[in-house]
Formats: sequence, structure tokens, C-alpha cells
Amino acid sequence: RKEVEQDPGPFNVPEGATVAFNCTYSNSASQSFFWYRQDCRKEPKLLMSVYSSGNEDGRFTAQLNRASQYISLLIRDSKLSDSATYLCVVSGSSNTGKLIFGQGTTLQVKP
Amino acid sequence: DAGVIQSPRHEVTEMGQEVTLRCKPISGHNSLFWYRQTMMRGLELLIYFNNNVPIDDSGMPEDRFSAKMPNASFSTLKIQPSEPRDSAVYFCASSQGTGNSHDFGSGTRLTVV
Repeated sequence: RKEVEQDPGPFNVPEGATVAFNCTYSNSASQSFFWYRQDCRKEPKLLMSVYSSGNEDGRFTAQLNRASQYISLLIRDSKLSDSATYLCVVSGSSNTGKLIFGQGTTLQVKP
Repeated sequence: DAGVIQSPRHEVTEMGQEVTLRCKPISGHNSLFWYRQTMMRGLELLIYFNNNVPIDDSGMPEDRFSAKMPNASFSTLKIQPSEPRDSAVYFCASSQGTGNSHDFGSGTRLTVV
């Protein structure tokens, strides 16, 4: 079983749609959680951290369920510019700063 | 703030040649990570350093791969000899402390022919 699992997609949605991505992780000792965005032929960039109480940043909402070891990302009113690959990221169990990256979910927003 | 700086951006080399990738982390970051990304395998962690000391190199695929961090502002990833299956994008990332997000460099796109 992979340490971080995501549905690779692709998710094809029209502009203005709401889309949700899910991610599960295997290490119950993980303490930090993130969503990264990666555009084609670019480096991954931090989209947002994920906090236990859930958090929102504009059109983006992240949720964490520690009991189920499950993370989600909700994008409302999707824009063409949201087209990218979204990587679910979880910290390793040891206190060294290591992060575990999922394979990513590809989103294509169409006009 | 310059961010993580990698060089070269692109490298095309012949099989059997030595390849050296370079990275300058963000000033003040004490952790440095080398990743490899391919379509088939996604983003794989090769090795990481804390305070210039290698902590985990279990992701390094073979003895042909080696990495060094002689000081807090510079690291290299070397492949000798290179093989076509090493073709990938190699990213360097840095972070401060533990449990924090990583800042990535723009990557080196390596093609071994």
C-alpha cells in the first residue's frame, strides 16, 4: 500500500464547477499535511497547509480527518487557471522534516 | 528572496558520462532534499540532509548516484556513469525546521541518450 494515495484522475470539469479531491495516508503518526499544486513542466508549489479544524483560502477549502486518515481539497467556482496537478503531502513519522508526496490528481477545467 | 536555485535547467548527455546537478537552498533553511520525478513513478525522494548531514539516502537508486552537501548553501547530486533510465526531472527542495513545507527549485531536466 502506498503511504499517500490519490485518485490520479483526470478530473474534467466546466468553469464554475465545484470539484473535490480526496487523499488517504497510511502513517497515523503524521503531524503535518499540505496540498501542493504543480503546473505542467514546473516545480511543485505549496497551495495550502491543512489544519485539524479545516481551513479555507478563498475558493479553496481543505479538511483533515485524522481518525480516518483522510484529507480533502474542495475548489469552488473553478477557473481555467486552476488546471494543474494537485499533490497531497503528508509528513513522515520521524522528526526530520521529510514529506511524503502522493502521485497527484490532475484537474482540467474547460470553458 | 531568491528561492531555491538549481543548475543547469536542462542537461543532455550521452550514456556513460558523469552528470552533476547543483543546488543552492534558501538561506536559513536547514534541510535539503533531492527528488526525482518521472511520469511512471511520480515524485520520489532520493536523499535528504539536515544541517548538512545526510539523514536518509534509502531512495538513492544505485551506487551510481551520490550526493554531497559541503556547506549550508550548496549541494550536488552526481550520477556516474549515467544511463538512459536516469532521464527525469530532478528537483532540489529546502525547508526550515521539521514538519514544515518544502520550497522547490525549478528543477533540472536530464536526458541521457
